[in-house]
Amino acid sequence: NAGVTQTPKFQVLKTGQSMTLQCAQDMNHEYMSWYRQDPGMGLRLIHYSVGAGITDQGEVPNGYNVSRSTTEDFPLRLLSAAPSQTSVYFCASSYGGRANGQFFGPGTRLTVL
Amino acid sequence: LAKTTQPISMDSYEGQEVNITCSHNNIATNDYITWYQQFPSQGPRFIIQGYKTKVTNEVASLFIPADRKSSTLSLPRVSLSDTAVYYCLVGRNGNNNDMRFGAGTRLTVKP
Repeated sequence: NAGVTQTPKFQVLKTGQSMTLQCAQDMNHEYMSWYRQDPGMGLRLIHYSVGAGITDQGEVPNGYNVSRSTTEDFPLRLLSAAPSQTSVYFCASSYGGRANGQFFGPGTRLTVL
Repeated sequence: LAKTTQPISMDSYEGQEVNITCSHNNIATNDYITWYQQFPSQGPRFIIQGYKTKVTNEVASLFIPADRKSSTLSLPRVSLSDTAVYYCLVGRNGNNNDMRFGAGTRLTVKP
């Protein structure tokens, strides 16, 4: 199993550009989530999904969109990138919910100029 | 929202046992306690989870007193490779905006 995979590993955007961060898992987990981690801080939840077709907002959803058309994939879209979105983004999945212990991807380091 | 409090940093030496305590005074009846480990430039890794008393796996032990208002992650005989940030989370499924990551405890293991 590949576990949780994320692409790209690194990305540089200009202010106002849009892009999609990809996340996929091959463990048949219902629950998937996106976090951002700023320097020296813990992870903050952006959006999550409890299954295909169902998404909801986390702590810091503004400026991000998600969709969940399949169990495996959970892309995160930045609509109009801003310097405040410079961060490391982690995708995670788990069976049944966040309290069951999550598997995290390797992260995407995003810089917005 | 079950807030957690952990020490910001801890130092240890190779071969010692390390205990990291997390306070969660307003833990709810159905909340579980979960610990993660994060190395630089990597995503967090699940270490251990418990509800009450003691849980042990091949990596660590988790001690939870009867009142569940705190928990202690115990790492036996640490090595340099255990240098990482350790996060304590408290929450339950169905309350998905709970279980927030705090700043964690930065453990530095010295030779």
